[in-house]
Formats: sequence, C-alpha cells, structure tokens
Amino acid sequence: GAGVSQSPRYKVAKRGQDVALRCDPISGHVSLFWYQQALGQGPEFLTYFQNEAQLDKSGLPSDRFFAERPEGSVSTLKIQRTQQEDSAVYLCASSLGLADGYTFGSGTRLTVV
Amino acid sequence: KQEVTQIPAALSVPEGENLVLNCSFTDSAIYNLQWFRQDPGKGLTSLLLIQSSQREQTSGRLNASLDKSSGRSTLYIAASQPGDSATYLCAVALPGSGNTGKLIFGQGTTLQVKP
Repeated sequence: GAGVSQSPRYKVAKRGQDVALRCDPISGHVSLFWYQQALGQGPEFLTYFQNEAQLDKSGLPSDRFFAERPEGSVSTLKIQRTQQEDSAVYLCASSLGLADGYTFGSGTRLTVV
Repeated sequence: KQEVTQIPAALSVPEGENLVLNCSFTDSAIYNLQWFRQDPGKGLTSLLLIQSSQREQTSGRLNASLDKSSGRSTLYIAASQPGDSATYLCAVALPGSGNTGKLIFGQGTTLQVKP
C-alpha cells in the first residue's frame, strides 16, 4: 500500500479485556516497529521485527504484551488483561532499512475503562 | 542510556516569524536523526532525516542541522505559517546490536503560529 495502515483507529476496552491491534506496513518494508505514546509524551519503543523475526522486544512493558509478524508483513500487537495504564496511542512504523528513515501509521488510540 | 531532550516544550509565535526548535541527545553514537511533525490525534509525518555523517538537510522552509559531537540538532522554520502549528518531535536512531535502529524520541515541542 501507499502508507502504513493501522486498525482499528480507536479502541475502547474494559479493564481485563484482551485487545489486538493490527499494522499493515508498506509493501516490501523489512523492518517493523511498534511504539507506545502516552498523552503529552514522545513515543516509546516497544518491539522490532526484521521480516518475521522479532529481534528486539526489550520495550514491552510486561508479559501481557505480545507481538507477532508471522509472514513478515502484517503485524499484530496483542495486549492481554488490559489495565488502565495501557491507555495510549500505539504507533506502528516500517522501513526499508536503517538508512531510509521510518514511515509511521496514524496509530490506534486505546482507552481502557 | 540515550536521552533526548527538546526545548522549549511549547512555543507561540506570530505568523511570519522565523523560529528554531532545539533537540539535544546524551550519546553521540547515533545512526541518524529524524524530525517528525505530529498533528493532534494523528500519526507522525517525517520531515527531515539527517544521517550521522551529514551536517544538515533542507526541505522547503525547513532546515535541520546536526552537530553529533555536541549532541545537538536544530530545526529552523522560516516564515512560519498557521499551518505549521503542530507538535515537532526529534528522534535519534541507535545503532545497537544488529543495527535495529530503534528510535529514541524527545517529548516534543508544541508550536502555535498565530495569524
């Protein structure tokens, strides 16, 4: 596609629910990142994929967070048993390579009530 | 640990002014630095990408400079317009093991340009 597509655009979850956030990167982009952005803050790194391999998950805040990219294209970020502190915008970015910069999606705004 | 700081946190200027946004980082071992724009409720739009070997990049009314040794970058906006109102984020890409290139962001500068 022309850009990075994320769905849903908005998600309201009751505390304790599981959620799944989807990212469609630009076709052919090897690298895929997930970031979490709290209100009024800069984005913070969650995890990184190179093709289907998850090479860095050091930013995932707890074992309730899980990400996958099974075929090296679409990625899903899953949050189990959501908590209020999980409320944030979740941004996905993709890149051809390190020297090429990043293209971000519009994000998914998650609100846990 | 790499930390990125942006000053000021907020800025309000009249239309037509030239302005400078500042970004500093604590570790000069970066792969590149990127400036983004974020409109309220939206994702990030890339403005300028400066590789670590470069000193500056220009796009239209925007000019970004990089001084890696002092850990600083500036974003210069010429002849500001109300449409420039947004939050501007600076981010450095870390080489890291495997060259993952993950980005470390500043907290952003929120710019308001008044007509």
